[in-house]
Amino acid sequence: GAVVSQHPSRVICKSGTSVKIECRSLDFQATTMFWYRQFPKQSLMLMATSNEGSKATYEQGVEKDKFLINHASLTLSTLTVTSAHPEDSSFYICSARDSGTRGPYEQYFGPGTRLTVT
Amino acid sequence: DAKTTQPTSMDCAEGRAANLPCNHSTISGNEYVYWYRQIHSQGPQYIIHGLKNNETNEMASLIITEDRKSSTLILPHATLRDTAVYYCIVRPSSGYSTLTFGKGTMLLVSP
Repeated sequence: GAVVSQHPSRVICKSGTSVKIECRSLDFQATTMFWYRQFPKQSLMLMATSNEGSKATYEQGVEKDKFLINHASLTLSTLTVTSAHPEDSSFYICSARDSGTRGPYEQYFGPGTRLTVT
Repeated sequence: DAKTTQPTSMDCAEGRAANLPCNHSTISGNEYVYWYRQIHSQGPQYIIHGLKNNETNEMASLIITEDRKSSTLILPHATLRDTAVYYCIVRPSSGYSTLTFGKGTMLLVSP
C-alpha cells in the first residue's frame, strides 16, 4: 500500500526557535497534502490543506505566519513551526492524497512527529 | 459533512469479536461511512469503508443498517494489537473532502 513518511519522528526544541517537519509520499504522487495536530487525549484537528505549487489553505484559528507550509513537489510537503512556544508542543500528523486514484485509500497518513518545546 | 456519534470506550476480551457502533442519522445519500483507527502515538490507519452494502476485508467487516443511519464495525477475533481509538467518519463520495475526525471509541482488548 501507499506509504507516507515523516521526519523527524520526535524533536525537542527551545522556545523561540523554529522547527521544520517533512512529509513525503514514498510511492505515489500527492497533489494535496494535509497537516493535522493532535493534543494529548484529543482527536486530530486539521490545521491546513496544501496543494502542490500553490499556497496552503488554513483552518480557522490556525496562524499562517506561525505554521509555514510549503508543498513544492508532488512528493514533499514541509511544515515549519516558527518561534515555537511550549503550547505548540503536540503530535503533528501529515496526510497525503493520491493524485492517481479515486479509490478508498486516496488519503494516507504519516506516522506523526512528536514536537516538544522547552 | 454528517456528524457521527460513537461510545467513548469499549472493552473486549482477546479472541472475541469486537462490535463498535456508530450513529450517523443525518447521513446523505452520497456519503460513505469510513472507519479508521489510531494506535497510540501513531498515525491513523484505514480499516474499511462502505456506502449501502455490508463490506468485509482482511481486517474487519462493516454492517450498515438499511436506513443507513447507523453502522457497526466488527473485528471478528480481537487481539491485543487491536487496542486503539476507532474513528467512524462520514464523507461525500467525491473523495475530495477532507477527513474530519471526531472523538472516536477507545477499544481496549484485554487478555
